[in-house]
Amino acid sequence: QQKVQQSPESLIVPEGGMASLNCTSSDRNVDYFWWYRQHSGKSPKMLMSIFSNGEKEEGRFTVHLNKASLHTSLHIRDSQPSDSALYLCAASKAEGADRLTFGKGTQLIIQP
Amino acid sequence: DMKVTQMPRYLIKRMGENVLLECGQDMSHETMYWYRQDPGLGLQLIYISYDVDSNSEGDIPKGYRVSRKKREHFSLILDSAKTNQTSVYFCASSLFRQYEQYFGPGTRLTVL
Repeated sequence: QQKVQQSPESLIVPEGGMASLNCTSSDRNVDYFWWYRQHSGKSPKMLMSIFSNGEKEEGRFTVHLNKASLHTSLHIRDSQPSDSALYLCAASKAEGADRLTFGKGTQLIIQP
Repeated sequence: DMKVTQMPRYLIKRMGENVLLECGQDMSHETMYWYRQDPGLGLQLIYISYDVDSNSEGDIPKGYRVSRKKREHFSLILDSAKTNQTSVYFCASSLFRQYEQYFGPGTRLTVL
């Protein structure tokens, strides 16, 4: 059973639109969440991390975290074709935060 | 320019042959990782290394071993490769307690 579940599996968003990706952990011991982005044929790169309840914004990207439900979401506004990629959510405990458990990812396609 | 390198980038081996995958980083990061990525399964942690000769099993260590004799170099060894070890292998590194992981370009291994 996948401990980090992401939805949807794939998402098509028109250029300039808002993309919303979801991630939930079934392991109640996790404390931190991470979002990585992986373009086709490339390696994952960290996009954002969130450790506390609430919201964090960096440019066009906003991450929310609800620790009670162990749910995080990533929102991309004004989506660009270059945002087309596999988005990976990962979770870890505070003690041993280097041990990430990744979800299967959401494949995001931005349609020009 | 911070960099994680992996050699070789592509490798084809026959079942039962030994495989050596090599990873280097020029950032003096203490922690290094080996992952494999398979379609529909996401990234899975094979081994984590906290420094020279300080290695720890990840979630799927069976069939793999690692070696770290210098801080900047981390090797993954498959003794007698199996067909189900066909995958893309990523190496990553991070600073101690900084947790952002920097990934190498990956090695695509095919075991026939």
